[in-house]
Amino acid sequence: SQQGEEDPQALSIQEGENATMNCSYKTSINNLQWYRQNSGRGLVHLILIRSNEREKHSGRLRVTLDTSKKSSSLLITASRAADTASYFCATSFETSGSRLTFGEGTQLTVNP
Amino acid sequence: DGGITQSPKYLFRKEGQNVTLSCEQNLNHDAMYWYRQDPGQGLRLIYYSQIVNDFQKGDIAEGYSVSREKKESFPLTVTSAQKNPTAFYLCASSIFNGYTFGSGTRLTVV
Repeated sequence: SQQGEEDPQALSIQEGENATMNCSYKTSINNLQWYRQNSGRGLVHLILIRSNEREKHSGRLRVTLDTSKKSSSLLITASRAADTASYFCATSFETSGSRLTFGEGTQLTVNP
Repeated sequence: DGGITQSPKYLFRKEGQNVTLSCEQNLNHDAMYWYRQDPGQGLRLIYYSQIVNDFQKGDIAEGYSVSREKKESFPLTVTSAQKNPTAFYLCASSIFNGYTFGSGTRLTVV
């Protein structure tokens, strides 16, 4: 069953603005990952944060993890039109080995 | 280049027919997965395999079957027992924690 939930479901911003997406989950995790999907394409891995980490950066991406609240956020700074895509969080649970459980995603639209 | 290849990109099936989706990887990954994605939704796990000649059901395995005879290949058969097969199917492979996805197969029942 899907345990990751993202919000908002859809987000529309102007180029140059920051975009923040949130993800919540329900059970203990090994790690949490964020993926990007362009329309009708496969998913691309963006960043992984382990359960003992609180924040990670990769270029314009910043991910935070709060295990006490069972939540994570993905921040994209200085957004570009090319960032328009769906963004998914995926969790690896302690009891599920290498399986990932995906949320339903946030559709981000960056207007030029 | 290393990667994961799904074929075909588009597939049309008549009701009552079985159809097999191909997934091949040359990344030397042990684990492979099949996910289904419906419009505007996330991915749901159909089957996964952590090693050759072994596979496990995911959350929505009914109406699907798989085999894992070679490390590189993990074909998915959508059988006539799958009542609503029209969807986007994604294959992935992984080693440690990083997943690599194929570009997907869009299956339509006509």
